[in-house]
Amino acid sequence: QSVLTQPPSVSEAPRQRVTISCSGSSSNIEYNAVNWYQQLPGKAPKLLIYYNDLLPSGVSDRFSGSKSGTSASLAISGLQSEDEADYYCAVWDDSLNGPVFGGGTKLTVL
Amino acid sequence: QLQLQQSGPGLVKPSETLSLTCTVSGVSISSSGYYWGWIRQSPGKGLEWIGSIYYSGSTYYNPSLRSRVTMSVDTSKNQFSLKVNSVTAADTAVYYCVRDSGGAPPGSSWYPGESWGQGTLVTVSS
Repeated sequence: QSVLTQPPSVSEAPRQRVTISCSGSSSNIEYNAVNWYQQLPGKAPKLLIYYNDLLPSGVSDRFSGSKSGTSASLAISGLQSEDEADYYCAVWDDSLNGPVFGGGTKLTVL
Repeated sequence: QLQLQQSGPGLVKPSETLSLTCTVSGVSISSSGYYWGWIRQSPGKGLEWIGSIYYSGSTYYNPSLRSRVTMSVDTSKNQFSLKVNSVTAADTAVYYCVRDSGGAPPGSSWYPGESWGQGTLVTVSS
């Protein structure tokens, strides 16, 4: 059972917008920055969003991140088939004194 | 361009020591200002941070693994390494070496996995 809760799966049609939630607590999300990772099938994870809403160089601006209170969200607009992947949130946890990851959300583009 | 190349055995016997090495190319470990770490991924526990190390040798470990984990760095070879002792089946996972964010030690202003190696499946079995 992960400290961070994500829906196991989400699905949406191409060209639509989807959001993936990440729910935590006051010891992690509320006071620390959230990061998101994308893991394509059979590949290593890749940093997608850092410090809640910043995009690393080379990441499409179709991806965006936000945070409010003890929850964070990843939004993907203009869905494409190549966006099918697992998405993970991660954040520093002050109680555990280390970063924790969500359980992951599998995105299916219908 | 940064590349992280992992090496090490894919099969380890229970109670023995898991050893992996990550060779960095494209940047010098000792001059980059970044932390370097290990993250593992198992079906049962998902992604799990193992620990991170600075070129100076300063280490930060996951409290749940600290008693069994040792990380080291060899700046002359531009490599860093991971050892996990007394392994059990629960340590079976894909192990990734990563470059973490720079500028701050692990904490709220730092994040793991800015860049990732290709991953090594390590199976613990007799």
